Amino acid sequence: DARVTQTPRHKVTEMGQEVTMRCQPILGHNTVFWYRQTMMQGLELLAYFRNRAPLDDSGMPKDRFSAEMPDATLATLKIQPSEPRDSAVYFCASGLPGLDMFFGPGTRLTVL
Amino acid sequence: AQSVTQLGSHVSVSEGALVLLRCNYSSSVPPYLFWYVQYPNQGLQLLLKYTTGATLVKGINGFEAEFKKSETSFHLTKPSAHMSDAAEYFCALSTSGTYKYIFGTGTRLKVLA
Repeated sequence: DARVTQTPRHKVTEMGQEVTMRCQPILGHNTVFWYRQTMMQGLELLAYFRNRAPLDDSGMPKDRFSAEMPDATLATLKIQPSEPRDSAVYFCASGLPGLDMFFGPGTRLTVL
Repeated sequence: AQSVTQLGSHVSVSEGALVLLRCNYSSSVPPYLFWYVQYPNQGLQLLLKYTTGATLVKGINGFEAEFKKSETSFHLTKPSAHMSDAAEYFCALSTSGTYKYIFGTGTRLKVLA
């Protein structure tokens, strides 16, 4: 049963620390998305990649967030330095153009 | 600009009653429309989707939705609610040739015994 995996599932850190979240998309999927979910803002698209190239990262705060795909099996989202307002659930999703998008279980980030 | 509006952030129904979750969209080009469900502490799971063709689409767990272009709506229904349907439901929109999904703000469904 193919699924998107994310690590860690939970992360508690202190303000100012670096946070790295990882995602393994479903094998063969060439489009990867990063979403952030909060009570106030709902689901926000942060960035997405096609064939490992960033297509749109306009949803990300550029000064502190970065997203990369070092290879086809790994996507990373990094926050440096982290702030309390970054506390949220971060979802990775993968898919193929025109087909369904599959979400991972999310990383719940708490920044103290 | 494209947008998705879900009417009612919280909906309560009795077990066995009809479930109706409302979604309206705005799009200048033909939309692809989706309903996702999110159970507590989990990611989003696709319930059903409309791309082209038949306007009444059936999904998993007995849910269905009808695309009504004239009303710019894509409401989600289920004839008889089950306790296990309690979750948050998201309507989403995409269009051909793009990879961006626009999500509504979600509707939390509560099923009363």
